[in-house]
Amino acid sequence: DAKTTQPTSMDCAEGRAANLPCNHSTISGNEYVYWYRQIHSQGPQYIIHGLKNNETNEMASLIITEDRKSSTLILPHATLRDTAVYYCIVDSGGSNYKLTFGKGTLLTVNP
Amino acid sequence: DAGITQSPRHKVTETGTPVTLRCHQTENHRYMYWYRQDPGHGLRLIHYSYGVKDTDKGEVSDGYSVSRSKTEDFLLTLESATSSQTSVYFCAISVKRGTEAFFGQGTRLTVV
Repeated sequence: DAKTTQPTSMDCAEGRAANLPCNHSTISGNEYVYWYRQIHSQGPQYIIHGLKNNETNEMASLIITEDRKSSTLILPHATLRDTAVYYCIVDSGGSNYKLTFGKGTLLTVNP
Repeated sequence: DAGITQSPRHKVTETGTPVTLRCHQTENHRYMYWYRQDPGHGLRLIHYSYGVKDTDKGEVSDGYSVSRSKTEDFLLTLESATSSQTSVYFCAISVKRGTEAFFGQGTRLTVV
């Protein structure tokens, strides 16, 4: 199973872009990269996912390196409500795939 | 919001008793997952299902069993609850690989 490595914590100023890195050097060619976040004790919330190309939606952008060994989640204009634990995960298991979370990055957005 | 409901939301039980947590979905999604979350550990996968009667173990499956007799329900059973199983349990559903997974609100289980 592909593992991911993320920094334990990061800080960001309100209104600035938050760039959250993730390393997944053992990723296989058909494994997707997903980002979720968890605010306080709520259930995790989906943000974005990608396979090879960069992706953008209303919440964030996902930049995947050409070799697919790392990715960056970008929150373009962080707000205080973006303070959360952010999880980068890679699915595994083929058609019977599973989602295995790590410990994530605690992003703190400061006023 | 995706139709996913966990029950009960809170439970206190005694050591040694069996406990069953239920995850119910109205989305007809193929994949269902059970996670536990403890301070300092993030979310850890217990068991998952990729179809009716098709289940497999996750990272921390010891002491847990699951059943999925119909698409909409995924049951997690603690055969004989221990204090180490005190945790918050989350269920998730997904229609297929490469799509968004939806999470339930969680079940807080305390084993005394």
